[in-house]
Amino acid sequence: DAMVIQNPRYQVTQFGKPVTLSCSQTLNHNVMYWYQQKSSQAPKLLFHYYDKDFNNEADTPDNFQSRRPNTSFCFLDIRSPGLGDAAMYLCATSIPREGQETQYFGPGTRLLVL
Amino acid sequence: GQSLEQPSEVTAVEGAIVQINCTYQTSGFYGLSWYQQHDGGAPTFLSYNALDGLEETGRFSSFLSRSDSYGYLLLQELQMKDSASYFCAVRDLLGRDDKIIFGKGTRLHILP
Repeated sequence: DAMVIQNPRYQVTQFGKPVTLSCSQTLNHNVMYWYQQKSSQAPKLLFHYYDKDFNNEADTPDNFQSRRPNTSFCFLDIRSPGLGDAAMYLCATSIPREGQETQYFGPGTRLLVL
Repeated sequence: GQSLEQPSEVTAVEGAIVQINCTYQTSGFYGLSWYQQHDGGAPTFLSYNALDGLEETGRFSSFLSRSDSYGYLLLQELQMKDSASYFCAVRDLLGRDDKIIFGKGTRLHILP
């Protein structure tokens, strides 16, 4: 059973053309994260939501925005993609719980910028 | 600030044991996790330590020493399918700001 779903798995966009990546979850988790991961690098946290509270990382470019209209869905909007934004984008969820912590990752969306 | 250090690469032989170390520096430490990621795939959860000591899950074990800000992942009876990148990650919890910070990953190469 899919728990964290990301669509599409592969996304091709043009330089400067806005693109939206989607994530949905069936786990009813409070926290949702968006990570950017480039080849052979660690996932880099872009932002996360604790319920509706939005937390932006200090070094996340303004070009990246996010929306969480409800518990199940979260979107990553890239307003003007540059060549350097080509990467894997990972969505993850978690439910903060003392003594236990697991992040559930979606399969990722690989973004190609032409 | 927050930082995690782990070796960039480790090589071991099939059937052997390997240990991947991780040291961390955070402001609101709440636990250390380990994730496995195969090429082209998403990270998958392996283990989590909130308290000092050893947690064992099958062939994988994870250890934490909070006083030393140090942990490790131990993989036993290595199999070729264990070739992957392994990330340590800390849960940094300050008030309602709850997030996971990843290390840069250790690439595990397994030789037959």
